[in-house]
Amino acid sequence: AQKVTQAQTEISVVEKEDVTLDCVYETRDTTYYLFWYKQPPSGELVFLIRRNSFDEQNEISGRYSWNFQKSTSSFNFTITASQVVDSAVYFCALSEYEMDSNYQLIWGAGTKLIIKP
Amino acid sequence: DAMVIQNPRYQVTQFGKPVTLSCSQTLNHNVMYWYQQKSSQAPKLLFHYYDKDFNNEADTPDNFQSRRPNTSFCFLDIRSPGLGDAAMYLCATSRDYGTDTQYFGPGTRLTVL
Repeated sequence: AQKVTQAQTEISVVEKEDVTLDCVYETRDTTYYLFWYKQPPSGELVFLIRRNSFDEQNEISGRYSWNFQKSTSSFNFTITASQVVDSAVYFCALSEYEMDSNYQLIWGAGTKLIIKP
Repeated sequence: DAMVIQNPRYQVTQFGKPVTLSCSQTLNHNVMYWYQQKSSQAPKLLFHYYDKDFNNEADTPDNFQSRRPNTSFCFLDIRSPGLGDAAMYLCATSRDYGTDTQYFGPGTRLTVL
């Protein structure tokens, strides 16, 4: 069955520290997509990245980077030199090409990230 | 900028009093979604439309209805809100079904008194 696990419920770090948010997924499909969304206290879900299952290259966007490893079914997210504005709940999600899940995104439970000044 | 807009941002209603939430999009996407989210849980899909084709999730209560009169607008009607319906309601759009990225609006936070 399809599943996304974000084992870290809450992480708290001091500003300027690096922090990694873990995401582990389960799927039967060979073609699938993985996403990360950020939800700040205002409530809007902000799209961060979409990665397909055939592209295992790591992605870097400013202070954000993503490490996709099919061998361990993981798609981890690292924030370098964290800032207070990074405080939010971060969701990892899975979308399958064959759509056994009836077009739904399969969401992780989210990780609440607190950056202390 | 192309975007997903939700109105109102905050809605207060009384127990049992019907309420309508609205969503509009300028992205010209085919698919629109309504999600319910409680207390930083993951969003829960209520409905989705591909153009005007409506899809209701099996566990969406009958108390929730939706309308999509045209490509740009979508409405969520809660016919008789209960205390358990207090939540954040998120609208999202995507170009197509499946693996396309969903873009979310700012949400409407519903309070039921």
